[in-house]
Amino acid sequence: DTGVSQDPRHKITKRGQNVTFRCDPISEHNRLYWYRQTLGQGPEFLTYFQNEAQLEKSRLLSDRFSAERPKGSFSTLEIQRTEQGDSAMYLCASSLDRGDEAFFGQGTRLTVV
Amino acid sequence: AQKVTQAQTEISVVEKEDVTLDCVYETRDTTYYLFWYKQPPSGELVFLIRRNSFDEQNEISGRYSWNFQKSTSSFNFTITASQVVDSAVYFCALSAPRAGNMLTFGGGTRLMVKP
Repeated sequence: DTGVSQDPRHKITKRGQNVTFRCDPISEHNRLYWYRQTLGQGPEFLTYFQNEAQLEKSRLLSDRFSAERPKGSFSTLEIQRTEQGDSAMYLCASSLDRGDEAFFGQGTRLTVV
Repeated sequence: AQKVTQAQTEISVVEKEDVTLDCVYETRDTTYYLFWYKQPPSGELVFLIRRNSFDEQNEISGRYSWNFQKSTSSFNFTITASQVVDSAVYFCALSAPRAGNMLTFGGGTRLMVKP
């Protein structure tokens, strides 16, 4: 397994457009997390899944943000009606189970112009 | 609520110096996990270590060592004989069951090792 992969690596979009990011976790990992990281800050938790169940979504930044993990494998994070303040690095991580170390992907850098 | 504080935002050392990165955490859980991650200029977060709250033994891995002290809620990281390749941002993080075991990160410490 090559680790957590994210696609795309970079995304430039115009304000008001919708964007969707994909994350493929390490194959046997049950937990999948989404984080956001802005320049000079630590990653900020957004949401996580245990298999296909989304167990925490109250930290999603607004109702413009949504995430899915339909078959308990890959996940998507969608941002609707993007705003300039959404510009950030979006990180995906996976872990075998709760409390285990999480392995991160390389992230998707979003720029909203 | 849980919180991680890394008071040192930036540290600069000369190669071969030892350097300690500080981490202080807050949690109400009695069971929790502490982590250190490295973020080199390439951007990917690299896992370094995980400790659970019941194991206060210090750990050494090559030039890296970690000092976990529950009494002061600290989990400090020391790099011995630093090298230029150690230059990166280092993050301390905490996870606990009451918070869903997601990671709460500190603000990070940027380490610059000069030749």
